Amino acid sequence: EVQLVESGGGVVPPGGSLRLSCAASGFTFTNYAMSWVRQAPGKGLEWLSAISYSGGSTYYADSVRGRFTISRDNSQDTLFVQMNSLRAEDTAVYYCAKMGSHSAVDAFDVWGQGTLIIVSS
Amino acid sequence: DIQMTQSPSSLSASVGDRVTITCQASQDISDYLNWYQQKPGKAPKLLIYDGSTLKTGVPSRFSGSGSGTDFTLTISSLQPEDIATYYCQQYDHLPTFGPGTKVDIK
Repeated sequence: EVQLVESGGGVVPPGGSLRLSCAASGFTFTNYAMSWVRQAPGKGLEWLSAISYSGGSTYYADSVRGRFTISRDNSQDTLFVQMNSLRAEDTAVYYCAKMGSHSAVDAFDVWGQGTLIIVSS
Repeated sequence: DIQMTQSPSSLSASVGDRVTITCQASQDISDYLNWYQQKPGKAPKLLIYDGSTLKTGVPSRFSGSGSGTDFTLTISSLQPEDIATYYCQQYDHLPTFGPGTKVDIK
């Protein structure tokens, strides 16, 4: 069974940092691009960042470029996002998602259960 | 960035009704359009990709159509388990989602 499990969420003060992880299983991780998508409370979906299957290419939404860094460890089948300079508006459920192919621009065909980040003092 | 709009923002229909949701892109995206279903408190699920291809395991009452800038998601006979918010998403450029359409049972 294809599965994605996020971890690392919690409460962080404004200006703080947090690193999320997403453990993948049930598929050949190295063959697929991966993404992070978030959803603020009561709001819609916002794509944040994607990384190619090899990790050699990364892409960011304007809202997080320069503050968030996506990475992956293909030896551990794990996706990461390092989030710095967090703001109140970053409060959301963060999902990792498997892309439908090796391309970072594709369908999000499998999603994790999400992890909640609350940015508050 | 490519902007996506959806209409209606919400709808209420009876079990067995045909339901149609529209999605419009701010520029031509060919058929690079996907549809997702999100039930309350759950992660989204991919329903349809490439505009009209049903993901394996998705009930055949769901269908997608369109190309260019105008797309449609249709539920041919609404079921109670279809209560959810539906999002379109383009991937002609870096991904963007529509604002969602919430579907309720009347």
